[in-house]
Amino acid sequence: AQTVTQSQPEMSVQEAETVTLSCTYDTSESDYYLFWYKQPPSRQMILVIRQEAYKQQNATENRFSVNFQKAAKSFSLKISDSQLGDAAMYFCAYRSPGNMLTFGGGTRLMVKP
Amino acid sequence: DSGVTQTPKHLITATGQRVTLRCSPRSGDLSVYWYQQSLDQGLQFLIQYYNGEERAKGNILERFSAQQFPDLHSELNLSSLELGDSALYFCASSVGGGMGSPLHFGNGTRLTVT
Repeated sequence: AQTVTQSQPEMSVQEAETVTLSCTYDTSESDYYLFWYKQPPSRQMILVIRQEAYKQQNATENRFSVNFQKAAKSFSLKISDSQLGDAAMYFCAYRSPGNMLTFGGGTRLMVKP
Repeated sequence: DSGVTQTPKHLITATGQRVTLRCSPRSGDLSVYWYQQSLDQGLQFLIQYYNGEERAKGNILERFSAQQFPDLHSELNLSSLELGDSALYFCASSVGGGMGSPLHFGNGTRLTVT
C-alpha cells in the first residue's frame, strides 16, 4: 500500500521569508502524480501544485515550487515570500494508476507578522 | 470557489440516526469522490463514482452508502450513526477518473453525532 509521510506536524515562518515543507512517500510504481493541497481555517481543500513523476522539471506556481527527488521518494514544497494568507494545513498527496488519492498527515504552517 | 457544492454545511444528529449528505460536482466533471476527515484518521478515501457508476471503494463502512445520479450529483448516506462517525465529510470532483485529473474539493459537511 502506498503511504505518504509528512514528518513536520507544525512549522512557522516569518512573513516574507521562505519555508520548505517535507513529504516522503512509499511506492513501487514508476508513474504517478504528487500533489500539495492547502486547507485554510475555512476548511476547504485547495490544490496548490501537482507534479507528474515522469517529468524531471520541478513544478512551479507563482510563489510555490516543489523539489521532486524521485529516487529518494521525496516531494517538498517551498513557499517563497510567505504571506499571512499562507497560514494553513498543508497536505501532500499521491496517486498512481488504479489507486485513489492518498494523503499525508498534514503540516500546520503558521506565518508570523 | 472550487465549483463543488456540498450541503448541508453542518449537521448535528443523535446516535442511531441516518443522514444524507449531498454533493454537486463542478460543471463538466464526471467523477465524484467522497472523503472523511477526522482528527485521528486524517483524510480517508471512501468511494468514487464515474458517470453514475461506482469506480472504486476505500475504507467505507457497510453502514455507509453512496450513489451518483443521472445529473451527476451524488449523495452519501450514513446510517446507524455512532459517535465515531463525527467528522468532516468532503466531496470532490474531477473531469476524468485518471490519476492526473486533480480533485477539486467542496467545503465539506461537518457531521456531529451526539
